[in-house]
Amino acid sequence: AQSVSQHNHHVILSEAASLELGCNYSYGGTVNLFWYVQYPGQHLQLLLKYFSGDPLVKGIKGFEAEFIKSKFSFNLRKPSVQWSDTAEYFCAVNARGNNDMRFGAGTRLTVKP
Amino acid sequence: GAGVSQTPSNKVTEKGKYVELRCDPISGHTALYWYRQSLGQGPEFLIYFQGTGAADDSGLPNDRFFAVRPEGSVSTLKIQRTERGDSAVYLCASSLTTRRLGRTNNEQFFGPGTRLTVL
Repeated sequence: AQSVSQHNHHVILSEAASLELGCNYSYGGTVNLFWYVQYPGQHLQLLLKYFSGDPLVKGIKGFEAEFIKSKFSFNLRKPSVQWSDTAEYFCAVNARGNNDMRFGAGTRLTVKP
Repeated sequence: GAGVSQTPSNKVTEKGKYVELRCDPISGHTALYWYRQSLGQGPEFLIYFQGTGAADDSGLPNDRFFAVRPEGSVSTLKIQRTERGDSAVYLCASSLTTRRLGRTNNEQFFGPGTRLTVL
């Protein structure tokens, strides 16, 4: 079964700093990859997804992620964070042929104004 | 349009009691998923329905947990003889599975969850 690891449990940044959140998965087959965000008091929302094609994926709110197959990674990036980006970020993997999604433990991002 | 809805939003019960949690998926979505999210953790897969049938229930922790989707729309997660360790947020998601270029697109849309507290 696939698994997902997120390297950072809690990241604290100042506004305008650049962000990179790590995500690695373990699965040898074809996968779909996702980043979800959970703002305080709100439900999970899709930030971006990768199914196929260009490995650099653009999402909402200026986020992007790059799928590096050789590294089994799908890191999330944003060049300049805002206070409103304070939230919990979850990386998720769905292996082809399976319908269950495996989530990482999440990374809590705190952006200081 | 309407998203995934879940009721109740909060449920407090006593150890040993039976609870039912309800999920209304997005209209037309054939796939429905249940997850459990404990504090400080990511969502953990429980069960997946395609239509009325449970296509994958490998994530259910034990036989106290059961879920149904009798008409292929609304689903109910049922927990018997609740234990304190069952306390968590139970999330429901739905998707409209499509295939393109040999890849399955099953982007899942999540509901707000039901926070279950077992005293």
